[in-house]
Amino acid sequence: DAGITQSPRHKVTETGTPVTLRCHQTENHRYMYWYRQDPGHGLRLIHYSYGVKDTDKGEVSDGYSVSRSKTEDFLLTLESATSSQTSVYFCAIRGQASSYEQYFGPGTRLTVT
Amino acid sequence: KNEVEQSPQNLTAQEGEFITINCSYSVGISALHWLQQHPGGGIVSLFMLSSGKKKHGRLIATINIQEKHSSLHITASHPRDSAVYICAAANFGNEKLTFGTGTRLTIIP
Repeated sequence: DAGITQSPRHKVTETGTPVTLRCHQTENHRYMYWYRQDPGHGLRLIHYSYGVKDTDKGEVSDGYSVSRSKTEDFLLTLESATSSQTSVYFCAIRGQASSYEQYFGPGTRLTVT
Repeated sequence: KNEVEQSPQNLTAQEGEFITINCSYSVGISALHWLQQHPGGGIVSLFMLSSGKKKHGRLIATINIQEKHSSLHITASHPRDSAVYICAAANFGNEKLTFGTGTRLTIIP
């Protein structure tokens, strides 16, 4: 499982509140990703990181920000949560150069009421 | 932007049947990923391939780069194979993935 954990695993929050999701990895992988999964849309990339303090936007980045101050942690922040951000959020890491497979964390189910 | 399409969206089969799930994409890629997601569960990487064919147990993945098409086959299907199977196309250079919407497979005992 490439040592990936996500916290919290479940969260219910109110519209307008800030929320931070954490992805933690133990194997020093350079690339980390945040995806959201919604019925009918499949997985979509929100943001990704290719190193400490190096991040870039994905296809659905509006309303989200990320930070990576150390290799093992990649944080996803919803500055002011909206109901459209109710989703399941997956973090993933990319394997090393010999294998670019992606390994996913267990997911965080976020409900914005 | 790559468009990734999977077929069928849903598939129900009897235990023991040979299963094929198809994936097509619109733009050249560096690799094609197959993932598995059990109900309420996490996402597991099954294969990553850039040419030819790969086999792992009863699972076989093939890719035809010229036709921009990949297939996932399951031989001697079993109820524990019931899951959503997702293909994803990796862009050249940044390896960002574009995902299909998945195929929900149900194997009946």
